[in-house]
Amino acid sequence: GAGVSQSPSNKVTEKGKDVELRCDPISGHTALYWYRQSLGQGLEFLIYFQGNSAPDKSGLPSDRFSAERTGGSVSTLTIQRTQQEDSAVYLCASSLQVSNQPQHFGDGTRLSIL
Amino acid sequence: DAKTTQPNSMESNEEEPVHLPCNHSTISGTDYIHWYRQLPSQGPEYVIHGLTSNVNNRMASLAIAEDRKSSTLILHRATLRDAAVYYCILRDVEGFGNEKLTFGTGTRLTIIP
Repeated sequence: GAGVSQSPSNKVTEKGKDVELRCDPISGHTALYWYRQSLGQGLEFLIYFQGNSAPDKSGLPSDRFSAERTGGSVSTLTIQRTQQEDSAVYLCASSLQVSNQPQHFGDGTRLSIL
Repeated sequence: DAKTTQPNSMESNEEEPVHLPCNHSTISGTDYIHWYRQLPSQGPEYVIHGLTSNVNNRMASLAIAEDRKSSTLILHRATLRDAAVYYCILRDVEGFGNEKLTFGTGTRLTIIP
């Protein structure tokens, strides 16, 4: 079956530009997560959407980062005025809205800021 | 959050069993032990999880110490495709509504042909 799909798979942009990263979760998964993985670093939580509740934005590193999830399905992570330190792989995961369920990850978007 | 400690790296020969250890001495009674792995250029992949009893699935086995302060992920017959970074993660089920995964540095497993 279809897994979590992320697009684009690679994005190169100039410092100061805005970027949008897209995540299509597994159908029926109401929980959606964004993480990022910088070169040689572990995975860092960014934001978590849970059904119709307010998202947990506690991991967003600055106000240049925002995310939305329209219609309870597709999610978009937006980074405004990109900086070189934003270069990383951005990973999306989804799961059923039941405690302790495994998270299913996409293969990420590799973002490079020149 | 309770933390886990894993060796930075391990090597194993192909077609032999692999035992990946994880220490979690401050684990609480409501923490489940989860394992994920990340193959090169891919997102993490769920492997297995358990609470107190040993668990088996098609990918691996999870052996949990009686005091729950440590656990071991067992790959019964390693293949080259098992080369990955393996993460041991604790998830508190009483924290429902805040289900983020907290990844450590994991164990980089190298399989020798």
